[in-house]
Amino acid sequence: KAGVTQTPRYLIKTRGQQVTLSCSPISGHRSVSWYQQTPGQGLQFLFEYFSETQRNKGNFPGRFSGRQFSNSRSEMNVSTLELGDSALYLCASSLAGAETDTQYFGPGTRLTVL
Amino acid sequence: AQSVTQLDSQVPVFEEAPVELRCNYSSSVSVYLFWYVQYPNQGLQLLLKYLSGSTLVKGINGFEAEFNKSQTSFHLRKPSVHISDTAEYFCAVSGGSYIPTFGRGTSLIVHP
Repeated sequence: KAGVTQTPRYLIKTRGQQVTLSCSPISGHRSVSWYQQTPGQGLQFLFEYFSETQRNKGNFPGRFSGRQFSNSRSEMNVSTLELGDSALYLCASSLAGAETDTQYFGPGTRLTVL
Repeated sequence: AQSVTQLDSQVPVFEEAPVELRCNYSSSVSVYLFWYVQYPNQGLQLLLKYLSGSTLVKGINGFEAEFNKSQTSFHLRKPSVHISDTAEYFCAVSGGSYIPTFGRGTSLIVHP
């Protein structure tokens, strides 16, 4: 079974631009979560989607948004990029997003904002 | 609300020595506990998890963890580490929320 894939793996953008990151979950998984990982803050939860609906949202500004498609693939968008948005963005999928589910992580997209 | 504290940000150890990575949690409901490992330039992968039953949980790569409800701890141990165990280790707790809460991570550095 193929793992979680994320594209692109690396991105370099400038302040003010916007960016879209993509995540393909493991086949059969319906829950997709996004995390921002930085050396200072660790893993911070962005949002979680289940069956095309945003079910949970972390404490991030409205510049961060996402969506999930009918095939469970997910995208996240960051508008008006700031230097502080530089981070590793991780996507994780699970069967149903239940409390007991294991999260399966992709390799991440490394975003650098100049 | 739930929270996780990983007491050590960095743990240096020599190869073949034992290691313990500490994790304490707080939660007002039943908890499910996880340890994940992140190798350089990779995402996180599950090492082991405690859902119920035996408090001693065995995982991959020779790691094990013990759930201690009275001390609200879930420490990770390995009796003999290898260079290849050098990585970042994350403890996570879920329960009462769809989303697990992760600790800040512990960097395990294994020296030859």
